[in-house]
Amino acid sequence: QKEVEQNSGPLSVPEGAIASLNCTYSDRGSQSFFWYRQYSGKSPELIMSIYSNGDKEDGRFTAQLNKASQYVSLLIRDSQPSDSATYLCAARTGGFKTIFGAGTRLFVKA
Amino acid sequence: DAGVTQSPTHLIKTRGQQVTLRCSPKSGHDTVSWYQQALGQGPQFIFQYYEEEERQRGNFPDRFSGHQFPNYSSELNVNALLLGDSALYLCASSSPTAKGDTQYFGPGTRLTVL
Repeated sequence: QKEVEQNSGPLSVPEGAIASLNCTYSDRGSQSFFWYRQYSGKSPELIMSIYSNGDKEDGRFTAQLNKASQYVSLLIRDSQPSDSATYLCAARTGGFKTIFGAGTRLFVKA
Repeated sequence: DAGVTQSPTHLIKTRGQQVTLRCSPKSGHDTVSWYQQALGQGPQFIFQYYEEEERQRGNFPDRFSGHQFPNYSSELNVNALLLGDSALYLCASSSPTAKGDTQYFGPGTRLTVL
């Protein structure tokens, strides 16, 4: 069973701090990885995609991929209360299926 | 640029009934994937349609079926509804020309089975 694992949280950080979200995946054939943000009652919104080992930065967000360790992370710098949401990690398998983790709930305290 | 649209927004059905959910992909996208998201869980892949064919399916029974039309829009049909089918149903569109086949989600259809 191919899986994506995330800590369910909640992860609580003060406003302005760095939030670190982690994810592991089981299928070594996965090549594409995604982070989505989901507010309560809403649909997932794409934050970033990453395909190569290393870091990828976009504004306050940095995604990190380590294929040898089968590990993906998302760092959110200068966290804001509006960042409070559930963050979903996803991995596309060797076929056309994308597998999602259960998500990590993040709370940013003002 | 129109995003992914889904209809209806909410739906209430009773056990044993059948339901059809609809999705229009983002402009320029030709691939549609359907997901089921139960409360507190991540989206679960149901199937993906491309060129009007189902090209991959997740671990869902045959009660779940779909269709893609020549204009790339898609339908998800669920027969013989069970209480456990209550969930948020999400449609995501993508284009194989986009790197990594990045998927963009519609607003979802909330299905309640009584």
